[in-house]
Amino acid sequence: DAGVIQSPRHEVTEMGQEVTLRCKPISGHNSLFWYRQTMMRGLELLIYFNNNVPIDDSGMPEDRFSAKMPNASFSTLKIQPSEPRDSAVYFCASSPSGTGSEKLFFGSGTQLSVL
Amino acid sequence: GQSLEQPSEVTAVEGAIVQINCTYQTSGFYGLSWYQQHDGGAPTFLSYNALDGLEETGRFSSFLSRSDSYGYLLLQELQMKDSASYFCAVRDPGGFKTIFGAGTRLFVKA
Repeated sequence: DAGVIQSPRHEVTEMGQEVTLRCKPISGHNSLFWYRQTMMRGLELLIYFNNNVPIDDSGMPEDRFSAKMPNASFSTLKIQPSEPRDSAVYFCASSPSGTGSEKLFFGSGTQLSVL
Repeated sequence: GQSLEQPSEVTAVEGAIVQINCTYQTSGFYGLSWYQQHDGGAPTFLSYNALDGLEETGRFSSFLSRSDSYGYLLLQELQMKDSASYFCAVRDPGGFKTIFGAGTRLFVKA
């Protein structure tokens, strides 16, 4: 398996622009997670889905952030409009259900820089 | 809510043994995990404890005491490549949500 695939690897944009981050989970995994990592705040859980349904979005910082999972093989995290404080590494992770569900598999992350 | 505490950094010499502690406060608890992250990389899963006791995986072992809300990661025969950040993480009782500690940066010296 190719693992969790995220795109783009790097994104540089200007304040006010829309940013869309993409994630393809491992085939067969039922849960998908979006995390944000910064030096100041560490790894923060933004939102997670189970069977394509958003379960908990309490970590989404504000209405500028939205996430979707239209099918089992694709999810997006959108920031509109973006701000410099959104600069961070955004990780997508997936996990199976049942046995092994405790193990999160992370993608390589998207390094976002908002100027 | 949930909170985890772990030391910010630890330094050890090659070949030595190091223990990274983690204490947690949670409204519910399902299990304690450990992840490794090298600079510029993604977190990778190391181990998981749902029950009290020691889990061993090669040079790495993880321990959990549910009554003490405490766990640790033990790294033996340290190698330079073990220099990385190590995160403890807890799962909530629902079994989906995984919250990470701030991470412990391990420096392995020759």
